[in-house]
Amino acid sequence: GAVVSQHPSWVICKSGTSVKIECRSLDFQATTMFWYRQFPKQSLMLMATSNEGSKATYEQGVEKDKFLINHASLTLSTLTVTSAHPEDSSFYICSGPTGAVRDTEAFFGQGTRLTVV
Amino acid sequence: QKEVEQNSGPLSVPEGAIASLNCTYSDRVSQSFFWYRQYSGKSPELIMSIYSNGDKEDGRFTAQLNKASQYVSLLIRDSQPSDSATYLCAVNGGYGNKLVFGAGTILRVKS
Repeated sequence: GAVVSQHPSWVICKSGTSVKIECRSLDFQATTMFWYRQFPKQSLMLMATSNEGSKATYEQGVEKDKFLINHASLTLSTLTVTSAHPEDSSFYICSGPTGAVRDTEAFFGQGTRLTVV
Repeated sequence: QKEVEQNSGPLSVPEGAIASLNCTYSDRVSQSFFWYRQYSGKSPELIMSIYSNGDKEDGRFTAQLNKASQYVSLLIRDSQPSDSATYLCAVNGGYGNKLVFGAGTILRVKS
């Protein structure tokens, strides 16, 4: 099956700094990737859809200037949390797309645990 | 109204029993339905996908879909302690291939 590699798996940063999270598709080309956020004991909430070669599509309520998404190639999407604050501490997960082809699952990265102190 | 609803649980079952997890969704145009298992601190992993009304079986897992009732369920037979996790129901909204997740049901299998 397809593999999505996410890095780093955890990061601790100081309030006000920026953090970059990488998501790579290792054995398939992804024109679309999805970024989710999960707070403790809550479900995954879609933050944005990353589109290769064009601007990301953000979900309602997600600050596009704070969560910068870049999808510069068919195998790499990045999420940068700018000027991070403690309330941004969460589990961030990327995924490859649910395909238009049946039985194509969404492939999740390992997730990144962000702690802002 | 939430788009995808699940009972948060926890659902406790004894080892060897059948665990039944339920999910309802609000968007009638939804075409694809998924069950994911998520262990604490880990990413979700796909357990089952289902696209047509009826049952789909894979080993100890059976997914059931009823589009008329907008209902999808997951049965786990011969439950094992290793099945203890949070089970997420996800629905493809039919546009943009975005998945909408339910809040998840915590399953505890007691040995």
